[in-house]
Amino acid sequence: NAGVTQTPKFQVLKTGQSMTLQCAQDMNHNSMYWYRQDPGMGLRLIYYSASEGTTDKGEVPNGYNVSRLNKREFSLRLESAAPSQTSVYFCASSGLTGSGNTIYFGEGSWLTVV
Amino acid sequence: AQSVAQPEDQVNVAEGNPLTVKCTYSVSGNPYLFWYVQYPNRGLQFLLKYITGDNLVKGSYGFEAEFNKSQTSFHLKKPSALVSDSALYFCALMAAGNKLTFGGGTRVLVKP
Repeated sequence: NAGVTQTPKFQVLKTGQSMTLQCAQDMNHNSMYWYRQDPGMGLRLIYYSASEGTTDKGEVPNGYNVSRLNKREFSLRLESAAPSQTSVYFCASSGLTGSGNTIYFGEGSWLTVV
Repeated sequence: AQSVAQPEDQVNVAEGNPLTVKCTYSVSGNPYLFWYVQYPNRGLQFLLKYITGDNLVKGSYGFEAEFNKSQTSFHLKKPSALVSDSALYFCALMAAGNKLTFGGGTRVLVKP
């Protein structure tokens, strides 16, 4: 029962490099999300996808792009990494329609930009 | 705009004693409220949620939370804390759309 799977788990980048964080869910969920976690700030929404084929900006989208490849997969791309993007990144998903659906999280990706 | 506040950065409690983690919220309209727990180097695990109905919500691992609309609070409680409850706890609010707004988190340390 995998749930939400994200890769890589750890990554170190140099300033200016690009990379893509991959995320897949096997729960047949419609909505997917990317959050970042910074000390004392909780989790902040970067981008989300309410359904396949749609994406929208969250609270902190600058410096990121996303792709909802299909219903299962939602990737996050850093085109030119900056030290301010050092963070822990979480992919998440929630299912079906209506409000108040529980959001389920992956195990996180630790990204360091030097 | 909606917001969630967790006024305590850390809560220390002795094993066997009651545990309370505080959360207050601000939102226009009816809130959906959640509690998550995060163990070191892990993702967030869902504990419980309030959607509607009974103000006392029971969740996983013996946790419960009380929704208080007049005080705009949703405090997490456990009658008898375990050392294994030591973790980071997040309160979250879902209002418009299926998106969560998180509080800053409260670290719980349960001492033997």
